[in-house]
Amino acid sequence: SQTIHQWPATLVQPVGSPLSLECTVEGTSNPNLYWYRQAAGRGLQLLFYSVGIGQISSEVPQNLSASRPQDRQFILSSKKLLLSDSGFYLCAWSGTGVGYGYTFGSGTRLTVV
Amino acid sequence: AQSVSQHNHHVILSEAASLELGCNYSYGGTVNLFWYVQYPGQHLQLLLKYFSGDPLVKGIKGFEAEFIKSKFSFNLRKPSVQWSDTAEYFCAVNAGASKIIFGSGTRLSIRP
Repeated sequence: SQTIHQWPATLVQPVGSPLSLECTVEGTSNPNLYWYRQAAGRGLQLLFYSVGIGQISSEVPQNLSASRPQDRQFILSSKKLLLSDSGFYLCAWSGTGVGYGYTFGSGTRLTVV
Repeated sequence: AQSVSQHNHHVILSEAASLELGCNYSYGGTVNLFWYVQYPGQHLQLLLKYFSGDPLVKGIKGFEAEFIKSKFSFNLRKPSVQWSDTAEYFCAVNAGASKIIFGSGTRLSIRP
């Protein structure tokens, strides 16, 4: 069966420090991969998605970037964190096409101090 | 642009009351519609989805949703809620073949 792993679960980082959040999927090949940010009262904001290795679509301009170095690995990065980057980050995957919905990871709570 | 509106930000009900959470979407193409639920401290999980066919969709834990194309709506219902239904509920719609757009969520609180 397919599983999705996301780490770390929580992270406290100083302003100006770099960020790397990792997400991996097992039990499937060529998944669509997604990074969302969840903020209270604002739902889930799509940050990036990828339909294949090296293919990244950015949904909103921001201080973050994403990479997909391997088929089942999706990384969210920043060179210099801002206070406004604090939030709850969710990784998700779907099969080709989203008709069957997503499966979400457990999330990372990022606090920038 | 595609969008999803959930007009109820916080709903408070007593146990055994009936539930209806509103969801309206804006998308011009063929739609797939979803309701996700996030119980306190748990992952987001799929509650139900509309893919095609019967517009009345049954989901887990006694939930159902009705797709009304003319109203661009996909409201979530449950005839009798339980305390364990306390959670945040998100409506979502596909925006093309590769991504899903979520609403802002509705927090449901059930009084025991």
